Amino acid sequence: AIRMTQSPSSFSASTGDRVTITCRASQGISSYLAWYQQKPGKAPKLLIYAASTLQSGVPSRFSGSGSGTDFTLTISCLQSEDFATYYCQQYYSYLITFGQGTRLEIK
Amino acid sequence: QITLKESGPTLVKPTQTLTLTCTFSGFSLSTSGVGVGWIRQPPGKALEWLALIYWNDDKRYSPSLKSRLTITKDTSKNQVVLTMTNMDPVDTATYYCAHRGRAWGVQYNWFDPWGQGTLVTVSS
Repeated sequence: AIRMTQSPSSFSASTGDRVTITCRASQGISSYLAWYQQKPGKAPKLLIYAASTLQSGVPSRFSGSGSGTDFTLTISCLQSEDFATYYCQQYYSYLITFGQGTRLEIK
Repeated sequence: QITLKESGPTLVKPTQTLTLTCTFSGFSLSTSGVGVGWIRQPPGKALEWLALIYWNDDKRYSPSLKSRLTITKDTSKNQVVLTMTNMDPVDTATYYCAHRGRAWGVQYNWFDPWGQGTLVTVSS
């Protein structure tokens, strides 16, 4: 199975900061990557698919990039509602795998 | 509008079989390309994909759990059922069902939207 590794696992930031989360695949997955946001007690919410396409209704401060094995999720100007856990997921393989998550906390 | 909702027992005993039902609306599992997946999340841990069933009854399972999982669909009832045998305390988790994503007129294996999830505790 393709292993997805996110970094960092957790970090603290302040409102207004620009933050970047990295996701690395153990083998090339082209652009078959999605990003989700999950808040405590809630189901994950799709943010980005195809590595860089913003899901309808998602604020434009979220962006994704990358292809092959290295991907990033960037939040350009953190808002209070963005403090959550973020997961990447590859769908290049029929055997779907998620990253271990990145917890974004308020500094 | 697509919605999904999971239902099933909240508590199961070790060695028992878990049966979860995903009841959905806003789409049909008889439509080409459509699929429904199951994903679980142990408390405080990461998401883990379990299984996916497609409109044509093709099925895919997580290799690590394949021997214990069965996914089926009832198109007339708009339901997908997941069974997991030989439950263990490590299987305690919130179980989600989710709709296979769609873009550019084609369906792909990301998930959107998700059900609210159902917490299953395995304990004697």
